Parts: sequence; C-alpha cells; structure tokens
Amino acid sequence: KQEVTQIPAALSVPEGENLVLNCSFTDSAIYNLQWFRQDPGKGLTSLLLIQSSQREQTSGRLNASLDKSSGRSTLYIAASQPGDSATYLCAVTGNTGKLIFGQGTTLQVKP
Amino acid sequence: DTEVTQTPKHLVMGMTNKKSLKCEQHMGHRAMYWYKQKAKKPPELMFVYSYEKLSINESVPSRFSPECPNSSLLNLHLHALQPEDSALYLCASSQDRTGLPQHFGDGTRLSIL
Repeated sequence: KQEVTQIPAALSVPEGENLVLNCSFTDSAIYNLQWFRQDPGKGLTSLLLIQSSQREQTSGRLNASLDKSSGRSTLYIAASQPGDSATYLCAVTGNTGKLIFGQGTTLQVKP
Repeated sequence: DTEVTQTPKHLVMGMTNKKSLKCEQHMGHRAMYWYKQKAKKPPELMFVYSYEKLSINESVPSRFSPECPNSSLLNLHLHALQPEDSALYLCASSQDRTGLPQHFGDGTRLSIL
C-alpha cells in the first residue's frame, strides 16, 4: 500500500530565506507526483507536476525534484515571501489514477 | 479564479435534511472526483467518475450518493448525515483517469447540526 510522508509538519522562516520541503513515498511505481498549495478554507492549487520519467520541474521561484528510485521528492522555494504562507501537500498517482496525499507541511513566512 | 466551480460555498443542514452539492467544469475533462477533507488533514478520496461512469467508490456510506449527469457536472446528494460528516468537500477534475493533473474547486464547507 502506497504511503506518502512529508517532513517537516510545520516550518516557520523569516522572509527571504530559501527553503526545502520534503516528500517521500514507499512504492516507486508511480505515474506522477504533484505538489499542491492550500490556503486556509480553500481548495488545492496545483503548483508543479512531475511525470515519472522526469527529474524536475520549475515554475518561477519553485523547483520540484523527483528521485523515483529512492522514493523522494523535494520542493525548493527561493527567496520566500509572506504570501508563500500556506499548507503544501505532495501527492502521488499510481495506475488507478488515485491521488495519495501526504499530511502536508504548514509554512509560515514572517515579514 | 478556479476553473472548477463548486456550489454552495457553505452549507448547514440538519441530520434529517436532504441536500446536494454541485460541481461544474468546462475544461473538457472526462474524469471527476469527490474528496472529503477534515481540518488539518489531507483530502480523502470518496468517488471517481470516468466518462460519466462511476469507477471508484472508496467504501463511502450510502448516505452520500454521487451523480454525474453529463461530462461537465458532478453532484453529491446528501441524506441523513451525521455530525462527523462535517468537513470541506472538494471536487476535482482531470483530462482522464490517469489524473494528469487534477484541478480542484474551492470546496463546500458542510456543517451538520
């Protein structure tokens, strides 16, 4: 059974810092891995999707990497801003199309 | 603005009421999903529709009844809910069931009295 773990559960950093969020999964037979952002009381916003054949994806200040063999992904946020404060969720998809989510990392960026 | 629209945004209902949640997308996606999310937890999959047919039911109690009238619409009919069913209900869609990627609505906040 696929299990997804995110570390740390919570993170507080001063504005301007570069930071890394970690995600690990137990079954390497995935189709893709997706990073989402969720603001309080809102739905999920897709940030980056990495196909199983890819190693990384970049969008603006965000960079996500995938190492399928070791079952790990990282989300790198450069020059963090208070507006980046949110919960970040990683999720993997297998052959059923089901998203298996981690528990999330709640990020607070202080001005 | 999200491309997946959910109504209503908030719903308060008694345990004997019947209500429905609605979800609409116009991206031409053929897979649609219902998730339930409790506070400080990740979303949990409830149902998956693929080409208007129910393909996955994650052992959801029968007091939740999904319906997909056409490729753009997804409903969730609610009847005789329990207080523990209070949660944020999220709808998502994707091009097909391989889920690349899933687009989420802002959800319906449901409170059961």
